[in-house]
Order: sequence, then C-alpha cells, then structure tokens
Amino acid sequence: DGGITQSPKYLFRKEGQNVTLSCEQNLNHDAMYWYRQDPGQGLRLIYYSQIVNDFQKGDIAEGYSVSREKKESFPLTVTSAQKNPTAFYLCASSRGTSGDSTTRNEQFFGPGTRLTVL
Amino acid sequence: QKEVEQDPGPLSVPEGAIVSLNCTYSNSAFQYFMWYRQYSRKGPELLMYTYSSGNKEDGRFTAQVDKSSKYISLFIRDSQPSDSATYLCAMGRRGFKTIFGAGTRLFVKA
Repeated sequence: DGGITQSPKYLFRKEGQNVTLSCEQNLNHDAMYWYRQDPGQGLRLIYYSQIVNDFQKGDIAEGYSVSREKKESFPLTVTSAQKNPTAFYLCASSRGTSGDSTTRNEQFFGPGTRLTVL
Repeated sequence: QKEVEQDPGPLSVPEGAIVSLNCTYSNSAFQYFMWYRQYSRKGPELLMYTYSSGNKEDGRFTAQVDKSSKYISLFIRDSQPSDSATYLCAMGRRGFKTIFGAGTRLFVKA
C-alpha cells in the first residue's frame, strides 16, 4: 500500500531534550511538509522540501530543524530551543512543482505524532 | 485578515440532515480547492479536490467553488454519526504553499 507513515505515534520529551520525529512516504512524491496542529489554530507550516537536499522554513520554523537526504524521508527534530513543543505534528507529501497548472498537487497526510513535554 | 476564514463551530445536526460547511478566502489567484476530513487524533484525509470554479459530486459529498464570491462549500447529504469529525478547507495555486482553514467541528447525533 502506498502512503505516509509517521513514528512514533506518541512521544514524550523532557525539558532540554532534542527529539526527532520520523516521516516516510512511498508515494514517489517530490515535496514533503511538516505541520504543527494546536487546538483551534488549524495547521501551521514548520518546514517544507520540494526536492532532495533542499528545504525551506515555513511560518513557525524557530526551534525546529529538518533534513532531506532521501526522497522518501523527511525527519523533523524538535530542539530544546522550542519553548512550547507540546502539539500534534503532521507530515504530508505531494507531487510538488512538476506538471502544469492543472496538475493535481494535493497533499496527503500521515497519521501524526503527538508530542508532550514533561 | 486571514487568507482563509472558516467558522470553527461546533456544528451539531441530527442524523440524516444536510450539512453545509463553508470557507471564504481573499486571494483571487487561488486555483485549486480541497476539503479534508480529520477524525480526532488522526491525520487529515482528502475528501474532495476541485480545480477552478464549479461543482463536484462524490457520493453523499458535493463541493462547490464560487470564485466570483471567493466562497467554497462542502455539502454532506444524509449525514451519519460517522461523519462526525473536523472538516478542513484548503486552497492554493501552483508554486505557492497551500493555505488551510482552521477547521469546522461537526457532530452528527444519532
């Protein structure tokens, strides 16, 4: 089955600790995204990547870092600099910028990781 | 002003009712419009995708896009308790990031 997987499903972080959230896709998508979801605030973009070895900051990148060494993988590290990391984290992927303006480019989401700071 | 406005609800309806969910937007350049359904503690799943204006129907779901009014709608016919979820609208254009609404919580009572 093609899809996006995220692990772990639940993650607990102590103060001052860095943690890494995994995201893998086998949809052969070029673009991948990380969002943070808080109650009543919708999805906020953290980082995105259009191609391997390239990524850009989203709207709330401070305290987070990413890498894109493989097309299938886009891990997110929540660093100790992120002061309020407790949230639901969603990874998504899409075809990216290939094709013309009518080419579908919807994002497909993983099941999410719920991060709680202790 | 946010680029996409969506009433957070909650919206509570009896089983069998027709549900209307809506979003307004400010950027006339948006080309594609989507609706996602998100169950509690799950990732959003794509329900409907529409390119430009018009209607699209899929089973009990109908998506409408009115670009002249910058208004999109999702209609759910014969609503079921299993339709209880948060519905997110999303929209964008080629080469730019997709913008998501904050989501509307829907409760369908048996």
